[in-house]
Amino acid sequence: DVKVTQSSRYLVKRTGEKVFLECVQDMDHENMFWYRQDPGLGLRLIYFSYDVKMKEKGDIPEGYSVSREKKERFSLILESASTNQTSMYLCASSTTQQGSGNQPQHFGDGTRLSIL
Amino acid sequence: AQRVTQPEKLLSVFKGAPVELKCNYSYSGSPELFWYVQYSRQRLQLLLRHISRESIKGFTADLNKGETSFHLKKPFAQEEDSAMYYCALLYNFNKFYFGSGTKLNVKP
Repeated sequence: DVKVTQSSRYLVKRTGEKVFLECVQDMDHENMFWYRQDPGLGLRLIYFSYDVKMKEKGDIPEGYSVSREKKERFSLILESASTNQTSMYLCASSTTQQGSGNQPQHFGDGTRLSIL
Repeated sequence: AQRVTQPEKLLSVFKGAPVELKCNYSYSGSPELFWYVQYSRQRLQLLLRHISRESIKGFTADLNKGETSFHLKKPFAQEEDSAMYYCALLYNFNKFYFGSGTKLNVKP
């Protein structure tokens, strides 16, 4: 069973701080994703990565960056946290296997981040 | 541009009643669609995908390319079906676009 682990369930930070959210998956998936989940807006893709050191912007990348130094780990960085980044952050991973088509995403439990 | 629309934010039904959660999509390519579910205090998980053509927990969903829809249906709702449901579209090979979600509330 795929395990996607996010380092924190709850996090409280102050405006202007640099914030790191960590995500680790144990299934050797090549694709990893960061979303934010807000009521009425659903899930919005921030960034995704399809390989080590590779990244692509999603729909709402402003104010965020990511790092993928190892295949199993995908970090989301808030360079200078602001109150409008208070949200639930979800990490996901998936694989695209030859002959099996695209596989669904597997999600972590989420990190509820509050910026004061 | 790809889009997924879930027109209902909240859907309330009584136990035993039929339920249909609507999903419409906009995509120029060949669509691959999924339904995800998030029960209270649990992680988001896959419910079903259209290419599998399967029934999970009594739910089914049929892709209608003419109407660009992928509605989720269950003939008899159960209280344990109460959850948040998201429709998702796979595009550009490995990226997903999610709808805004529908909260299903099944009343006893």
